[in-house]
Amino acid sequence: GQSLEQPSEVTAVEGAIVQINCTYQTSGFYGLSWYQQHDGGAPTFLSYNALDGLEETGRFSSFLSRSDSYGYLLLQELQMKDSASYFCAVLSYNTDKLIFGTGTRLQVFP
Amino acid sequence: EAQVTQNPRYLITVTGKKLTVTCSQNMNHEYMSWYRQDPGLGLRQIYYSMNVEVTDKGDVPEGYKVSRKEKRNFPLILESPSPNQTSLYFCASSRGGDLSYEQYFGPGTRLTVT
Repeated sequence: GQSLEQPSEVTAVEGAIVQINCTYQTSGFYGLSWYQQHDGGAPTFLSYNALDGLEETGRFSSFLSRSDSYGYLLLQELQMKDSASYFCAVLSYNTDKLIFGTGTRLQVFP
Repeated sequence: EAQVTQNPRYLITVTGKKLTVTCSQNMNHEYMSWYRQDPGLGLRQIYYSMNVEVTDKGDVPEGYKVSRKEKRNFPLILESPSPNQTSLYFCASSRGGDLSYEQYFGPGTRLTVT
C-alpha cells in the first residue's frame, strides 16, 4: 500500500532551524506537498515539489528525492507562530487520490 | 473571498440518525474531497470527486455517501451514523488533475455520535 511516515513530534526554540522528514512507500505520484495546521484550524498549503531538489519560499524550504523515497520541510528562523502540525502529502498518478502523512507536531519554545 | 464552507461546524447526534454535512466552494474547482481527521491517524480521504457526477472512494469510504450534482457542492451523507464515525471532518477543493496537490480546506465539522 501507500504510506508516508513522519516523526510524531519535534521541538525547537525560537530562532532555530528545524527539519521535518517524510519518508514514503509509494510510487507513481506527481510530487510532494506540505501542509500546516494550527490547533483548531484547517490545513493550509505550504509548498510543493514536483521535481527532485530544493524549493524555497521565504523561511520555509522543501526538498524531494524520489530515488531515496524521502522529502523534508525545513523551517528557518523559527517563530512561536510556527507551532503547529505539519503534514506531507502525495497525489497519486493512477487514482488522483491525495494521501497524507501521519503528521508532525512542532512545538517552538521561547 | 475565495473559500470552502462547511455546515454545520459542530454536530452532536445519536446512532442511526441520518445526517448530511454540506460543503460548498466558490472557486470553480473541479476536484473536491472529504477527509476525516483522528488523533494519531492524520488525514484520511473518505471520498473524492474529479468533476460533476464523478465520485470515487478514498481510503475510508465505509458508512459514507457523497454526491456531486453541481460543481460547487459536495455533501457528505451518513445514512446511519455510528460512534466510530465521531471525528473531525474536512471538505477540500482544488483545480483538478495534476494541480490537485494544492487543496483548499473548509473550516471543519466536528461530529460526535453517541
